[in-house]
Amino acid sequence: SQTIHQWPATLVQPVGSPLSLECTVEGTSNPNLYWYRQAAGRGLQLLFYSVGIGQISSEVPQNLSASRPQDRQFILSSKKLLLSDSGFYLCAWSPAWEAFFGQGTRLTVV
Amino acid sequence: AQTVTQSQPEMSVQEAETVTLSCTYDTSESDYYLFWYKQPPSRQMILVIRQEAYKQQNATENRFSVNFQKAAKSFSLKISDSQLGDAAMYFCAYRAPGGNYKLTFGKGTLLTVNP
Repeated sequence: SQTIHQWPATLVQPVGSPLSLECTVEGTSNPNLYWYRQAAGRGLQLLFYSVGIGQISSEVPQNLSASRPQDRQFILSSKKLLLSDSGFYLCAWSPAWEAFFGQGTRLTVV
Repeated sequence: AQTVTQSQPEMSVQEAETVTLSCTYDTSESDYYLFWYKQPPSRQMILVIRQEAYKQQNATENRFSVNFQKAAKSFSLKISDSQLGDAAMYFCAYRAPGGNYKLTFGKGTLLTVNP
């Protein structure tokens, strides 16, 4: 069966520091992969998605970037975090119609 | 662009009773998919139910069912025999046709279940 792993679960970072969140999927090949952000009291905002290795589409211009160095690995990065980058980040994969989510990362930028 | 609207920020229900959560969406597509996701306090997103737009029959999953009104662009979730474990944030989501499978989410409805 397929599983998705996302880490770390919690992260506190100072303003201006770099960021790297990692997500991997097991039990499938060439999945569509997504990064969502959930701000307090809001729905999920799609940040990036990838339909294959090296293929990244950005939905919202911002301080973040994404990369897909391997088929089942999706990384969310930032060179310098802003206070506004705080939130709950969710990685997801999709085999067809629905999406399946990782456990999420709570990021607090201080 | 597609939009998904959940007009009820919060709802409450008594244990064992039935509650309906509302969702409307805007699209010019004729073929698409709709979902309800549940996010409990753990914040794990869990798929509750799925509806294909080309199907006239409303989807059901145990105590969860939907009322899909395609012409009205309405997609409500009914939870029967509510249980304490149903307390969560519920999100309605839309997926357009196409290969990237992007989901557009509503802002969510916080459901409280009272014992």
